[in-house]
Amino acid sequence: AQKITQTQPGMFVQEKEAVTLDCTYDTSDQSYGLFWYKQPSSGEMIFLIYQGSYDEQNATEGRYSLNFQKARKSANLVISASQLGDSAMYFCAMSQFYGQNFVFGPGTRLSVLP
Amino acid sequence: SAVISQKPSRDICQRGTSLTIQCQVDSQVTMMFWYRQQPGQSLTLIATANQGSEATYESGFVIDKFPISRPNLTFSTLTVSNMSPEDSSIYLCSVEDLMGSREAFFGQGTRLTVV
Repeated sequence: AQKITQTQPGMFVQEKEAVTLDCTYDTSDQSYGLFWYKQPSSGEMIFLIYQGSYDEQNATEGRYSLNFQKARKSANLVISASQLGDSAMYFCAMSQFYGQNFVFGPGTRLSVLP
Repeated sequence: SAVISQKPSRDICQRGTSLTIQCQVDSQVTMMFWYRQQPGQSLTLIATANQGSEATYESGFVIDKFPISRPNLTFSTLTVSNMSPEDSSIYLCSVEDLMGSREAFFGQGTRLTVV
């Protein structure tokens, strides 16, 4: 069974600074995908970044990068130059490579301070 | 990418009644997924809806409580039946981008409050 752990229920970061949100996962699958989603208070789920288990390079999408350490089974999200609009819940998720059936972590609430 | 329209966006319902949530996708997709997010919690998969077959439910979710229809490749409904306050949650439908990044696209969610 797949499992996602996010050990930081809440995080604070100063505006314009970088922040790392932790995510570790557990799976016996060889092929899988790792995702990060942002959920603002309005409730919608916003896709941020994806990392495939066979991708050798860390994924990057604008201010978002994923620090993928396969041996440690970690997939931390790094947000550079935080903005006030980054304040939201952040979920790490995993899916089987050829299906969806996402498993979500418990989430981290990020608050960006002015 | 896929654009998903989910209706209603929110509702307040009396206990014992049922609510049907609609999910419309702007392209044909094989699988649609329904999630529940209880207050302050993460998302939990309720079921996978395939066109032309019965939905596949996850452990802890049953068809009598959460009947799902999938009449075609762009539309699905989830009904929350005989509601109780414990059903107060956000319900989200989702589809997968099989050809691209494999990200999941989500509807805007239905915020349900049962009183």
